[in-house]
Amino acid sequence: GAGVSQSPSNKVTEKGKDVELRCDPISGHTALYWYRQSLGQGLEFLIYFQGNSAPDKSGLPSDRFSAERTGGSVSTLTIQRTQQEDSAVYLCASSSQRAYRTDTQYFGPGTRLTVL
Amino acid sequence: KQEVTQIPAALSVPEGENLVLNCSFTDSAIYNLQWFRQDPGKGLTSLLLIQSSQREQTSGRLNASLDKSSGRSTLYIAASQPGDSATYLCAVRRDNAGNMLTFGGGTRLMVKP
Repeated sequence: GAGVSQSPSNKVTEKGKDVELRCDPISGHTALYWYRQSLGQGLEFLIYFQGNSAPDKSGLPSDRFSAERTGGSVSTLTIQRTQQEDSAVYLCASSSQRAYRTDTQYFGPGTRLTVL
Repeated sequence: KQEVTQIPAALSVPEGENLVLNCSFTDSAIYNLQWFRQDPGKGLTSLLLIQSSQREQTSGRLNASLDKSSGRSTLYIAASQPGDSATYLCAVRRDNAGNMLTFGGGTRLMVKP
Protein backbone atom coordinates (compact mmCIF):
# COMPACT_ATOMS: atom_id res chain seq x y z
CA GLY A 1 0.00 0.00 0.00
CA ALA A 2 0.95 3.67 -0.24
CA GLY A 3 3.23 5.17 2.34
CA VAL A 4 3.00 8.55 4.03
CA SER A 5 2.79 11.34 1.49
CA GLN A 6 3.44 15.03 1.95
CA SER A 7 2.80 18.04 -0.21
CA PRO A 8 4.25 20.20 -1.49
CA SER A 9 7.70 18.63 -1.66
CA ASN A 10 9.27 22.08 -1.83
CA LYS A 11 7.90 25.47 -0.81
CA VAL A 12 9.60 28.82 -1.19
CA THR A 13 7.85 31.75 0.42
CA GLU A 14 8.53 35.31 1.42
CA LYS A 15 8.95 36.35 5.01
CA GLY A 16 5.61 37.25 6.56
CA LYS A 17 3.48 35.01 4.36
CA ASP A 18 1.40 32.10 5.67
CA VAL A 19 2.06 28.54 4.47
CA GLU A 20 0.16 25.27 4.72
CA LEU A 21 1.85 21.90 4.64
CA ARG A 22 -0.14 18.74 4.07
CA CYS A 23 0.34 15.19 5.27
CA ASP A 24 -1.53 12.08 4.13
CA PRO A 25 -0.81 9.25 6.57
CA ILE A 26 -0.90 5.55 5.81
CA SER A 27 -4.51 4.42 5.55
CA GLY A 28 -5.80 3.18 8.89
CA HIS A 29 -3.05 4.73 10.98
CA THR A 30 -4.59 6.50 13.94
CA ALA A 31 -1.50 8.33 15.14
CA LEU A 32 0.14 11.16 13.21
CA TYR A 33 3.24 13.16 14.09
CA TRP A 34 4.92 16.31 12.77
CA TYR A 35 8.65 16.85 13.13
CA ARG A 36 11.00 19.56 11.92
CA GLN A 37 14.55 19.01 10.70
CA SER A 38 16.65 22.15 10.66
CA LEU A 39 20.25 22.53 9.63
CA GLY A 40 22.28 22.33 12.77
CA GLN A 41 19.26 21.52 14.96
CA GLY A 42 18.54 17.94 14.08
CA LEU A 43 15.07 16.46 14.14
CA GLU A 44 12.65 17.91 16.66
CA PHE A 45 9.11 16.92 17.56
CA LEU A 46 6.34 19.42 16.90
CA ILE A 47 2.94 17.85 17.52
CA TYR A 48 1.20 14.48 17.85
CA PHE A 49 -2.36 13.53 16.88
CA GLN A 50 -4.35 10.57 18.08
CA GLY A 51 -7.35 10.52 15.78
CA ASN A 52 -8.39 14.14 15.35
CA SER A 53 -7.21 15.33 18.74
CA ALA A 54 -3.75 16.56 19.63
CA PRO A 55 -2.82 15.38 23.14
CA ASP A 56 0.74 16.62 22.77
CA LYS A 57 1.48 20.03 21.24
CA SER A 58 4.55 20.58 23.35
CA GLY A 59 6.92 20.93 20.44
CA LEU A 60 5.22 23.77 18.58
CA PRO A 61 7.82 26.57 18.70
CA SER A 62 5.42 29.52 18.80
CA ASP A 63 1.78 30.49 18.42
CA ARG A 64 2.43 31.09 14.73
CA PHE A 65 2.39 27.32 14.33
CA SER A 66 -0.84 25.34 14.35
CA ALA A 67 -2.01 22.00 13.05
CA GLU A 68 -5.25 20.22 12.53
CA ARG A 69 -6.37 16.78 11.48
CA THR A 70 -9.73 15.97 10.00
CA GLY A 71 -11.52 12.67 9.55
CA GLY A 72 -8.73 10.92 11.38
CA SER A 73 -6.68 11.13 8.22
CA VAL A 74 -5.16 14.18 6.49
CA SER A 75 -3.32 16.72 8.60
CA THR A 76 -2.35 20.29 7.81
CA LEU A 77 0.47 22.19 9.51
CA THR A 78 0.03 25.95 9.18
CA ILE A 79 2.74 28.49 9.79
CA GLN A 80 1.58 32.09 9.96
CA ARG A 81 3.76 35.13 9.29
CA THR A 82 6.71 32.96 8.35
CA GLN A 83 10.18 33.92 9.53
CA GLN A 84 13.53 32.94 8.07
CA GLU A 85 14.22 30.68 11.05
CA ASP A 86 11.18 28.59 10.01
CA SER A 87 13.19 27.32 7.04
CA ALA A 88 13.55 23.58 7.51
CA VAL A 89 12.34 20.22 6.29
CA TYR A 90 8.99 19.38 7.86
CA LEU A 91 8.47 15.64 8.24
CA CYS A 92 5.25 13.82 8.94
CA ALA A 93 4.98 10.29 10.32
CA SER A 94 2.15 7.94 11.14
CA SER A 95 1.76 4.77 13.16
CA SER A 96 -0.95 2.21 13.67
CA GLN A 97 -0.93 2.25 17.47
CA ARG A 98 -2.35 -1.28 17.43
CA ALA A 99 0.45 -2.45 19.66
CA TYR A 100 1.24 0.53 21.82
CA ARG A 101 4.74 -0.43 22.75
CA THR A 102 5.83 -1.81 19.42
CA ASP A 103 4.41 0.65 16.94
CA THR A 104 6.86 1.90 14.37
CA GLN A 105 6.55 5.41 13.01
CA TYR A 106 6.59 5.56 9.21
CA PHE A 107 7.89 8.80 7.77
CA GLY A 108 6.96 10.73 4.67
CA PRO A 109 9.54 12.35 2.35
CA GLY A 110 9.11 15.76 3.93
CA THR A 111 8.38 19.29 2.74
CA ARG A 112 11.39 21.55 2.35
CA LEU A 113 10.35 25.06 3.35
CA THR A 114 12.52 28.02 2.43
CA VAL A 115 11.61 31.45 3.77
CA LEU A 116 13.32 34.27 1.91
CA LYS B 1 14.74 16.55 29.46
CA GLN B 2 15.85 13.62 27.33
CA GLU B 3 18.98 14.21 25.28
CA VAL B 4 20.21 11.81 22.63
CA THR B 5 23.78 11.92 21.34
CA GLN B 6 25.29 10.05 18.43
CA ILE B 7 28.97 9.46 17.92
CA PRO B 8 30.68 9.81 15.53
CA ALA B 9 28.94 12.58 13.60
CA ALA B 10 30.49 11.33 10.39
CA LEU B 11 32.27 8.15 9.37
CA SER B 12 33.99 7.05 6.18
CA VAL B 13 35.00 3.42 5.69
CA PRO B 14 36.09 1.20 2.80
CA GLU B 15 33.62 -1.32 1.46
CA GLY B 16 33.52 -4.61 3.35
CA GLU B 17 34.37 -3.25 6.77
CA ASN B 18 32.28 -4.00 9.82
CA LEU B 19 31.34 -0.86 11.73
CA VAL B 20 29.61 0.33 14.87
CA LEU B 21 27.51 3.44 15.34
CA ASN B 22 26.89 4.68 18.86
CA CYS B 23 23.88 6.30 20.49
CA SER B 24 23.54 7.46 24.08
CA PHE B 25 20.58 8.89 25.95
CA THR B 26 20.36 10.64 29.29
CA ASP B 27 17.02 9.36 30.65
CA SER B 28 16.75 5.58 30.88
CA ALA B 29 12.94 5.68 31.23
CA ILE B 30 12.22 4.77 27.65
CA TYR B 31 9.60 2.61 25.94
CA ASN B 32 11.76 1.75 22.97
CA LEU B 33 14.62 2.85 20.79
CA GLN B 34 14.60 2.97 17.01
CA TRP B 35 17.32 3.21 14.44
CA PHE B 36 16.45 5.00 11.21
CA ARG B 37 18.20 5.56 7.92
CA GLN B 38 17.85 8.82 6.00
CA ASP B 39 18.98 9.21 2.41
CA PRO B 40 19.62 12.74 1.05
CA GLY B 41 16.40 14.56 0.28
CA LYS B 42 14.27 11.71 1.53
CA GLY B 43 12.35 10.76 4.61
CA LEU B 44 13.34 8.31 7.30
CA THR B 45 13.22 4.55 6.95
CA SER B 46 12.91 2.52 10.11
CA LEU B 47 15.63 -0.12 10.38
CA LEU B 48 15.22 -1.68 13.81
CA LEU B 49 13.08 -1.10 16.88
CA ILE B 50 14.19 -2.42 20.28
CA GLN B 51 11.74 -2.57 23.15
CA SER B 52 12.97 -1.45 26.56
CA SER B 53 12.81 -5.06 27.76
CA GLN B 54 14.94 -6.34 24.89
CA ARG B 55 18.69 -6.44 24.54
CA GLU B 56 19.07 -6.60 20.78
CA GLN B 57 17.38 -6.89 17.42
CA THR B 58 18.77 -8.20 14.15
CA SER B 59 17.79 -7.65 10.55
CA GLY B 60 20.07 -8.98 7.84
CA ARG B 61 23.48 -7.36 8.19
CA LEU B 62 22.23 -5.02 10.92
CA ASN B 63 22.29 -5.69 14.63
CA ALA B 64 21.17 -3.17 17.23
CA SER B 65 21.80 -3.57 20.92
CA LEU B 66 20.32 -1.75 23.87
CA ASP B 67 21.70 -1.26 27.38
CA LYS B 68 18.92 0.71 28.98
CA SER B 69 20.54 1.06 32.39
CA SER B 70 23.64 2.70 30.95
CA GLY B 71 21.68 4.68 28.37
CA ARG B 72 23.43 3.26 25.33
CA SER B 73 22.63 1.61 22.04
CA THR B 74 24.84 0.48 19.20
CA LEU B 75 24.08 -0.27 15.59
CA TYR B 76 26.43 -2.84 14.08
CA ILE B 77 26.65 -3.04 10.30
CA ALA B 78 28.43 -6.10 8.94
CA ALA B 79 30.27 -6.21 5.63
CA SER B 80 29.41 -2.63 4.71
CA GLN B 81 28.43 -1.78 1.12
CA PRO B 82 28.35 1.52 -0.80
CA GLY B 83 24.56 1.31 -0.70
CA ASP B 84 24.74 1.64 3.08
CA SER B 85 25.91 5.24 2.66
CA ALA B 86 23.31 7.42 4.40
CA THR B 87 22.67 9.23 7.66
CA TYR B 88 21.74 6.94 10.53
CA LEU B 89 19.55 8.33 13.28
CA CYS B 90 18.64 6.83 16.61
CA ALA B 91 15.51 7.92 18.44
CA VAL B 92 14.06 7.08 21.83
CA ARG B 93 10.45 7.07 22.82
CA ARG B 94 9.85 8.26 26.35
CA ASP B 95 8.16 6.07 28.89
CA ASN B 96 4.53 6.95 29.47
CA ALA B 97 4.93 10.46 28.14
CA GLY B 98 3.18 10.51 24.83
CA ASN B 99 4.50 9.10 21.66
CA MET B 100 7.04 11.60 20.53
CA LEU B 101 10.46 10.46 19.52
CA THR B 102 13.59 12.28 20.63
CA PHE B 103 16.27 12.03 17.97
CA GLY B 104 20.02 12.10 18.04
CA GLY B 105 21.95 14.29 15.64
CA GLY B 106 22.76 11.38 13.36
CA THR B 107 25.88 9.74 12.00
CA ARG B 108 26.63 10.45 8.35
CA LEU B 109 28.13 7.25 6.90
CA MET B 110 30.09 7.02 3.67
CA VAL B 111 31.11 3.57 2.42
CA LYS B 112 33.70 3.85 -0.33
CA PRO B 113 33.87 1.22 -3.07
